[in-house]
Amino acid sequence: DTAVSQTPKYLVTQMGNDKSIKCEQNLGHDTMYWYKQDSKKFLKIMFSYNNKELIINETVPNRFSPKSPDKAHLNLHINSLELGDSAVYFCASSQYRGGGANVLTFGAGSRLTVL
Amino acid sequence: DAKTTQPNSMESNEEEPVHLPCNHSTISGTDYIHWYRQLPSQGPEYVIHGLTSNVNNRMASLAIAEDRKSSTLILHRATLRDAAVYYCIRGYFGNEKLTFGTGTRLTIIP
Repeated sequence: DTAVSQTPKYLVTQMGNDKSIKCEQNLGHDTMYWYKQDSKKFLKIMFSYNNKELIINETVPNRFSPKSPDKAHLNLHINSLELGDSAVYFCASSQYRGGGANVLTFGAGSRLTVL
Repeated sequence: DAKTTQPNSMESNEEEPVHLPCNHSTISGTDYIHWYRQLPSQGPEYVIHGLTSNVNNRMASLAIAEDRKSSTLILHRATLRDAAVYYCIRGYFGNEKLTFGTGTRLTIIP
């Protein structure tokens, strides 16, 4: 039973389309994250939610909108997709809100390719 | 500055110990040191973390210098499955995110 699961694993779409990536965790964690890993393999945080409350919102275009219907789910919706959005998106969760000894569990990633 | 410094790449022979270094010269007293690794085509995976004392778990050991300005991740007996990018990260109170650097790409030679 996967701890942090993301769907879809692969997503190929055209520029200008709108797409969503879903994430679910069954660890009972309070905090969830979205990270983006680009072609150069840099891993950057995008958003974080704690008990459905947005706590981290890095400098991300408005086209990206996270939604957390409950603390076990964090979805990422992307409007008007651009070529530069092509990347692997990782969902993660942690028991605590952050800092110090907080440990993250990552999903397997969702590879988005924009043509 | 929350950065850490790691070598870009390292090689090690299979079945031998591997010592992965990390410098964190600006670390403060309450910052934890975390290590994650990312195997090819997978998400990052937690390895170990510590504050001051050396730590051991089933995956690895973490040796933290007495002045805490550096640390070393020790894989006791490397296997081919340990080939990955290893990230050394500072986790500090008041910061809700872990910031990943470029990591060390570890190659295991059969």
